Amino acid sequence: DVKVTQSSRYLVKRTGEKVFLECVQDMDHENMFWYRQDPGLGLRLIYFSYDVKMKEKGDIPEGYSVSREKKERFSLILESASTNQTSMYLCASSFHRGGNQPQHFGDGTRLSIL
Amino acid sequence: KNQVEQSPQSLIILEGKNCTLQCNYTVSPFSNLRWYKQDTGRGPVSLTIMTFSENTKSNGRYTATLDADTKQSSLHITASQLSDSASYICVVAGGNNRLAFGKGNQVVVIP
Repeated sequence: DVKVTQSSRYLVKRTGEKVFLECVQDMDHENMFWYRQDPGLGLRLIYFSYDVKMKEKGDIPEGYSVSREKKERFSLILESASTNQTSMYLCASSFHRGGNQPQHFGDGTRLSIL
Repeated sequence: KNQVEQSPQSLIILEGKNCTLQCNYTVSPFSNLRWYKQDTGRGPVSLTIMTFSENTKSNGRYTATLDADTKQSSLHITASQLSDSASYICVVAGGNNRLAFGKGNQVVVIP
């Protein structure tokens, strides 16, 4: 079974801190994604990556950056955390660009910014 | 405007009963439609993926249908169990394979 592991289930940080969320997948997937999920809004794509060192902006990239130095690891960075970034963050991975491959999700990191 | 609309937003059903969830979309061009199940506190898990040429696909007690002409899909849950309590998310992939997510149908199964 595909396993997507997010480093923390719950995280509490302060406004202005630099925050790192880590995600690792064990199935050699080319594609990796970061979403945030808020009540009443559904999942929204922040950034995605089709290959090592490659990244593309999603629908809501402002205030975030990403890093993909190794194929199995995709990091989401909040450069200067703000309270409106309190949310559930979900990482996902899938096989190759295009096609009908399902995304496999981690169990999420619930991030609170105080 | 959201390109994927799901209804009902939430419903409560008795254990053992059937239910049907609806998904209407405006995404064009269309690549595929996916249904995911998300248990509370967990990430979404894929149930089905259907392409343009498929009009029905089953995964155990879950059966998804697709009418690409009317841009509608449904997810039917047969003989519901308490473990079916979850949010069911409809996701449509467009021609560039960017995904449009619905807000989910919240299902609660009661004994």
